[in-house]
Amino acid sequence: GNSVTQMEGPVTLSEEAFLTINCTYTATGYPSLFWYVQYPGEGLQLLLKATKADDKGSNKGFEATYRKETTSFHLEKGSVQVSDSAVYFCALKKPPLGQNFVFGPGTRLSVLP
Amino acid sequence: DTAVSQTPKYLVTQMGNDKSIKCEQNLGHDTMYWYKQDSKKFLKIMFSYNNKELIINETVPNRFSPKSPDKAHLNLHINSLELGDSAVYFCASSPRDAGANVLTFGAGSRLTVL
Repeated sequence: GNSVTQMEGPVTLSEEAFLTINCTYTATGYPSLFWYVQYPGEGLQLLLKATKADDKGSNKGFEATYRKETTSFHLEKGSVQVSDSAVYFCALKKPPLGQNFVFGPGTRLSVLP
Repeated sequence: DTAVSQTPKYLVTQMGNDKSIKCEQNLGHDTMYWYKQDSKKFLKIMFSYNNKELIINETVPNRFSPKSPDKAHLNLHINSLELGDSAVYFCASSPRDAGANVLTFGAGSRLTVL
């Protein structure tokens, strides 16, 4: 079946540090890949996505590249801010049929001033 | 305007009670979902409806019954509540499959069973 694995948190960084959150997936075929972010007390929001191999998704200084050879979609940001403190979820979806998104367990990030 | 709205935001109740959570989306999406998020933030799909038709029904106790009166609404009714039902329940919606469509989530409904 389809699954998503993320590095376990929590991750604690100082402001302006470099961030990497690892994500690997297992799926047949060619899934689309996503990163969602959940700020405290809120629902999940789409952060970025990639639909095919070698695509790079980017938003708000975050980036992730769809690597089919390593089945990975690692999230990176060059300089984190306190406001980036949240839980980050990696997810996949199999096109074209099927409505189910599969989420990883989430990684909590805390950025200290 | 809130795209996906859930009510209530907080719900505290006793074991054995029956409760409902309502969800509405104004995005014109065809598909709606219920997810359960436990205390460790793990997110698990419960149900999915496409244009009022049930298409995903994961292994969930039959005390949980979704109902979709129209494609803009998906309600969740829970009978005989148990302690383990305490969680945050998220409603979400997405357009019908057309490439990498995305989920839009509501703010969540925190259920506490005492």
